[in-house]
Amino acid sequence: KQEVTQIPAALSVPEGENLVLNCSFTDSAIYNLQWFRQDPGKGLTSLLLIQSSQREQTSGRLNASLDKSSGRSTLYIAASQPGDSATYLCAVCMIYNQGGKLIFGQGTELSVKP
Amino acid sequence: SQTIHQWPATLVQPVGSPLSLECTVEGTSNPNLYWYRQAAGRGLQLLFYSVGIGQISSEVPQNLSASRPQDRQFILSSKKLLLSDSGFYLCACSGGYNEQFFGPGTRLTVL
Repeated sequence: KQEVTQIPAALSVPEGENLVLNCSFTDSAIYNLQWFRQDPGKGLTSLLLIQSSQREQTSGRLNASLDKSSGRSTLYIAASQPGDSATYLCAVCMIYNQGGKLIFGQGTELSVKP
Repeated sequence: SQTIHQWPATLVQPVGSPLSLECTVEGTSNPNLYWYRQAAGRGLQLLFYSVGIGQISSEVPQNLSASRPQDRQFILSSKKLLLSDSGFYLCACSGGYNEQFFGPGTRLTVL
């Protein structure tokens, strides 16, 4: 059974810091991995998608890496801003019965202080 | 790019009442569609997914059901709500096994 763990559960940093969010998963047979952002009371915004054959993806100040063999992914946020405050969710995609099922971690709640 | 609509945005219902949540998708055809629930302190859980009209797969046995009457319409229903059905319901779509995109969600409170 796939299990996804995110560390830390919460993080508070001053504005301008670079930070790393961690995600680990127990079954390496994933199709892809997605990082999402969720603002309070809102839906999920997709940030980055890494296919299982890829090592990393970049979008602006965000960089996500994937080490499938060790079951780990990291999300690197450069020069953090107060607007980055949100919950960040990691999800791995497992394929079965024609569907792509996302298994989510519990999330990291990020607070960036001005 | 696709847009996902969900309604209602919020809903307060008494225990034992019926439920119907609707999700529609624009900007894509023949998507895979998903219903997830986010309960307080329990993370996101996949409830149902559909790879085509009339094709529904259930992940968790419960008193909820789903239907897909049209290619870009996905409905979550219940005949009698339980207190444990409270939560934030999210609809998502994807092209095959690719990136999943989520709607704005429906906040359901069962009293």
